[in-house]
Amino acid sequence: QKEVEQDPGPLSVPEGAIVSLNCTYSNSAFQYFMWYRQYSRKGPELLMYTYSSGNKEDGRFTAQVDKSSKYISLFIRDSQPSDSATYLCAMSSASGGSYIPTFGRGTSLIVHP
Amino acid sequence: EAGVTQFPSHSVIEKGQTVTLRCDPISGHDNLYWYRRVMGKEIKFLLHFVKESKQDESGMPNNRFLAERTGGTYSTLKVQPAELEDSGVYFCASSLGQVGSTEAFFGQGTRLTVV
Repeated sequence: QKEVEQDPGPLSVPEGAIVSLNCTYSNSAFQYFMWYRQYSRKGPELLMYTYSSGNKEDGRFTAQVDKSSKYISLFIRDSQPSDSATYLCAMSSASGGSYIPTFGRGTSLIVHP
Repeated sequence: EAGVTQFPSHSVIEKGQTVTLRCDPISGHDNLYWYRRVMGKEIKFLLHFVKESKQDESGMPNNRFLAERTGGTYSTLKVQPAELEDSGVYFCASSLGQVGSTEAFFGQGTRLTVV
């Protein structure tokens, strides 16, 4: 079993839809949870960062962490064609003083006009 | 402010040849990371520099890979000799503090194809 599982998609939605992206994980030591967005031929850019459980909102984006279920989500409201990208979840622990994240495979999102 | 830059953007080499990838981090970022993404797989950690010192190289696949960071500035990743399974996109990232506590900024990646 992989440490982080993420459905690669693609996920295709119409403009304006609410998008739900998810990851599950197996390592209960993970405390830091991140979502990256990666456009084609670009490097990943940090979108959301959450420590431990709970919700975090930033504009149209909401990140949720449920540590009891080992499940994290990213919601995108009022999705736009410019949101079309690959979304990568990543998570890390402070094991040994290192915070090196473990990435999911990424979900390809297509928002069509 | 310039971001993380990587050279070259693409490289196609034959099996057995040597390739050197370069990463210029954001100025002032002590932490520099190398990652690799093989097609269809996750982004995998290779190693972590703090200034010129290797903090963690547990992700380096084998001794054909050699990473250096001269004077704590730019970094190079050399693959010698390259094998077919080394093909993938190599990302470099830099951060002020350790990733997880501060944001890491990624370069656009170097796409390496070994034929």
